[in-house]
Amino acid sequence: EDQVTQSPEALRLQEGESSSLNCSYTVSGLRGLFWYRQDPGKGPEFLFTLYSAGEEKEKERLKATLTKKESFLHITAPKPEDSATYLCAVGVYTGGFKTIFGAGTRLFVKA
Amino acid sequence: DTGVSQDPRHKITKRGQNVTFRCDPISEHNRLYWYRQTLGQGPEFLTYFQNEAQLEKSRLLSDRFSAERPKGSFSTLEIQRTEQGDSAMYLCASSLQEAGYEQYFGPGTRLTVT
Repeated sequence: EDQVTQSPEALRLQEGESSSLNCSYTVSGLRGLFWYRQDPGKGPEFLFTLYSAGEEKEKERLKATLTKKESFLHITAPKPEDSATYLCAVGVYTGGFKTIFGAGTRLFVKA
Repeated sequence: DTGVSQDPRHKITKRGQNVTFRCDPISEHNRLYWYRQTLGQGPEFLTYFQNEAQLEKSRLLSDRFSAERPKGSFSTLEIQRTEQGDSAMYLCASSLQEAGYEQYFGPGTRLTVT
């Protein structure tokens, strides 16, 4: 069964304390791995797409990496404004297409 | 580029009533997706359109849910005979075929069934 698991469920950091979020997946017919940021009461905001093992993408303090079984979102020197829920999703080819999201990691960054 | 818009933003309805939500994607995007999200969970895939064709529909959907995209532009999601378990945020997203499957989400419609 196609599945996406994110860990930890919640993460509390001090400002400037770097860390990583994990996304592990088991799917067949992978058509990309996606990272999104979601603020309370809003729709998810697109961050990155990764397509193949070894690929890396960076944006400001965020860096996403991909292996054959998992992806990491590295946050370097976070700021309070980075506090949000970070969602991982995989695109799956079904003849059509569907997206499977993980439950997310809630990140709290304290000044 | 005004982004993905959804209407209404909030809907309160009584159990057993029918509701319809509208999604207007980013203008040049030919792919459109609907999701349902409950508190503390990630979005749950409901359906996917490429232009006006509905190419994927979740097996989790019951017959009470239907979606249309009649001219390949805006889309509607209808829920018939609503139940309290239908209370959730309903999200719409769109993407451009040439850009892969990276999706841009609207603000969502929050449904409360009393």
